[in-house]
Amino acid sequence: DTEVTQTPKHLVMGMTNKKSLKCEQHMGHRAMYWYKQKAKKPPELMFVYSYEKLSINESVPSRFSPECPNSSLLNLHLHALQPEDSALYLCASSPMGSGGMERETQYFGPGTRLLVL
Amino acid sequence: TQLLEQSPQFLSIQEGENLTVYCNSSSVFSSLQWYRQEPGEGPVLLVTVVTGGEVKKLKRLTFQFGDARKDSSLHITAAQPGDTGLYLCAGARNQGGKLIFGQGTELSVKP
Repeated sequence: DTEVTQTPKHLVMGMTNKKSLKCEQHMGHRAMYWYKQKAKKPPELMFVYSYEKLSINESVPSRFSPECPNSSLLNLHLHALQPEDSALYLCASSPMGSGGMERETQYFGPGTRLLVL
Repeated sequence: TQLLEQSPQFLSIQEGENLTVYCNSSSVFSSLQWYRQEPGEGPVLLVTVVTGGEVKKLKRLTFQFGDARKDSSLHITAAQPGDTGLYLCAGARNQGGKLIFGQGTELSVKP
């Protein structure tokens, strides 16, 4: 099973709303990622969790708040977003740990298409 | 700045033609992934290459990793409309999971 799932598939929210994006993987991967992607551009890294600890924050505004409740789950809490935050939000996971370089391979979920009005 | 230059950015071809996409860098990568993405969906992993000079085949797709592990190519033989999509290369450098993405190649295969 090489599947990463994300919910919801689509989300429309106002600038004063609070919402959360969810991501789940059952591959035993120890690293999980949040990316933001604009149309026809490559994904931009936002956060990395390694062994359930936040290891990388790419200077993301505080209106985005990640959370990793356990090794299989990753959340992204959204509050007071701006229209320019509208994008496809992708979750990914990778094996990490010991082993060959293929442990760096990231597997992406289907994404959440977010529209901020 | 770590860069992964991907070319061409856009490619529109007829069904049955062959094509090659290139990713080049001045930096060495420990591994490199190729993904294909359709609009509104997440990138789907096609292949990971890790050894310099490695060649991997996936049906009509052939992937090559340069001897020095700084560049890679994707060759598609006899393209089909179903190959249409955004192709992304992404290199890893043992930096806590960060990937360096190319800018993507938007491929359109017309019947």
